[in-house]
Amino acid sequence: DAGITQSPRYKITETGRQVTLMCHQTWSHSYMFWYRQDLGHGLRLIYYSAAADITDKGEVPDGYVVSRSKTENFPLTLESATRSQTSVYFCASSDGGTGFTQYFGPGTRLTVL
Amino acid sequence: QKEVEQNSGPLSVPEGAIASLNCTYSDRVSQSFFWYRQYSGKSPELIMSIYSNGDKEDGRFTAQLNKASQYVSLLIRDSQPSDSATYLCAVSPMTNAGKSTFGDGTTLTVKP
Repeated sequence: DAGITQSPRYKITETGRQVTLMCHQTWSHSYMFWYRQDLGHGLRLIYYSAAADITDKGEVPDGYVVSRSKTENFPLTLESATRSQTSVYFCASSDGGTGFTQYFGPGTRLTVL
Repeated sequence: QKEVEQNSGPLSVPEGAIASLNCTYSDRVSQSFFWYRQYSGKSPELIMSIYSNGDKEDGRFTAQLNKASQYVSLLIRDSQPSDSATYLCAVSPMTNAGKSTFGDGTTLTVKP
């Protein structure tokens, strides 16, 4: 029962580089989410998806791109990484039931030098 | 004003005591309310959800919702050291229920 996985778990990159964070879930959940969590803060929604090929912006979408060609995958791309994008990124999924309970992946710790 | 505010913490209670975590929200049409627990270096996990006014109990945890006051709380009875974590309050609107907003969290330490 893999659930929801993220890769890589740790990533160090340089300013200006493109980085893609992967998220994969095995539950066939319709909804998937990307959050960032900065030290001492809660989660801020970057993008979410209600189904394959349906995505929408969250609270902090600037500098990020998402796609969802398959239900199980929801990659997040930083087109040109900046130091302010250093953060822990969590992917989550939900079947839309029970009030949209979300199930989180283990997170990716991204450092932009 | 932030959409979801939690008591700033950190909160420290002795083992066996009741820990009280509070959350207020600004969007009156919010429909679903969640408490997630996050251990240091780990991902959030759901511990309670509540949708209607009143209390909801699950073991040592009780969630309380008052929509008129735009207030949701989490009580942890008989607190254990294993309850030491950051607790995140999340609120979802009536429209676009997938778009949850999270508070910054309250860090709880239960001292043996």
